[in-house]
Amino acid sequence: DVKVTQSSRYLVKRTGEKVFLECVQDMDHENMFWYRQDPGLGLRLIYFSYDVKMKEKGDIPEGYSVSREKKERFSLILESASTNQTSMYLCATQGAQQPQHFGDGTRLSIL
Amino acid sequence: AQRVTQPEKLLSVFKGAPVELKCNYSYSGSPELFWYVQYSRQRLQLLLRHISRESIKGFTADLNKGETSFHLKKPFAQEEDSAMYYCALLGSSNTGKLIFGQGTTLQVKP
Repeated sequence: DVKVTQSSRYLVKRTGEKVFLECVQDMDHENMFWYRQDPGLGLRLIYFSYDVKMKEKGDIPEGYSVSREKKERFSLILESASTNQTSMYLCATQGAQQPQHFGDGTRLSIL
Repeated sequence: AQRVTQPEKLLSVFKGAPVELKCNYSYSGSPELFWYVQYSRQRLQLLLRHISRESIKGFTADLNKGETSFHLKKPFAQEEDSAMYYCALLGSSNTGKLIFGQGTTLQVKP
């Protein structure tokens, strides 16, 4: 069974802080994704990575960056958190010709 | 442009009633479509994909290329079907990117 682990279920940070969200998978999948989930907007892709040290912007990359130093770990970074980044963040992983598998999500509040 | 539209934010039915969650897509090639479900306090999980042509938990979805639709159906709704449902389209790149609809909340009343 695919295991996708996000480091925190709930996180509260202050405006201007640098925030790290971590995602780890145990299936040796090449592709990893970061989404944010907002009511009425569905899931929107922030960044994705198809290999170590490779990354591509998704649909809403502004204000975010990512890091993939090891195949199993994909980090999302909020360089300077703002209140409009309060959201649910979902990590997903995907093997070749397979559907995406999601983590439990991190509910991030920026005060 | 590649797009997925779920026109209903909320669908409320009584237990035992038929359910149809609508999904329309815009895509120039042969689409690959999915339905994902998220039950309360659980992770988003795959419900079904059109290439499998299978029925999961009594749900089916047929790809209609003429109407560019992939509606999710179940003949008799159960209370445990209450959840958020997302329709998703595999983008044209080979990176595995999914394009999600806005989601529909299904509420099954007793």
